[in-house]
Amino acid sequence: KAGVTQTPRYLIKTRGQQVTLSCSPISGHRSVSWYQQTPGQGLQFLFEYFSETQRNKGNFPGRFSGRQFSNSRSEMNVSTLELGDSALYLCASSLDGLGYNEQFFGPGTRLTVL
Amino acid sequence: QKEVEQNSGPLSVPEGAIASLNCTYSDRGSQSFFWYRQYSGKSPELIMSIYSNGDKEDGRFTAQLNKASQYVSLLIRDSQPSDSATYLCAVNNEYSSASKIIFGSGTRLSIRP
Repeated sequence: KAGVTQTPRYLIKTRGQQVTLSCSPISGHRSVSWYQQTPGQGLQFLFEYFSETQRNKGNFPGRFSGRQFSNSRSEMNVSTLELGDSALYLCASSLDGLGYNEQFFGPGTRLTVL
Repeated sequence: QKEVEQNSGPLSVPEGAIASLNCTYSDRGSQSFFWYRQYSGKSPELIMSIYSNGDKEDGRFTAQLNKASQYVSLLIRDSQPSDSATYLCAVNNEYSSASKIIFGSGTRLSIRP
């Protein structure tokens, strides 16, 4: 069974631009969560999507948004990029997003903002 | 107080020895506990999940959970250089939603030959 895939793997953008990241979950998984990982802050929860609906959102500004499609693929968008947005963005999928479900991470997208 | 605490390390262990990684959590209502391994520059990889008090073994790995003391640990037997990585403890205190999972900052483990 194929794992979680994320595209692109690397991105370089400049301040003020916007970016869209994509995540395809493991086949059969309906929940997709997004995380930001930085050396200083560790893994921070961005949001979770299930059945095309955002179920929960972390403490990030409105510049961070996302969506999920009917095939469970998810995208996240960051508008008006800031230097501090440079990070590894990870998505993780689980069967139905219940607390006891195991989450499996994709390889991540490394975003560099110049 | 951080919700999930781990010693950042580095924890240096000789090859072939047992590596012991510890994690404490603050929410007594926590239900699900996970250990992830993350190699430098890579994404976290799930190693173990544990939900009940006691030990759970999988190959060289043993997860231990003590809800009364609010700690969870990971033992790695016969440590190998390939075990050198950062180990993340993750705790979920909401049975109904995976989005409440909280990650510790990780313990860096180094296995010396």
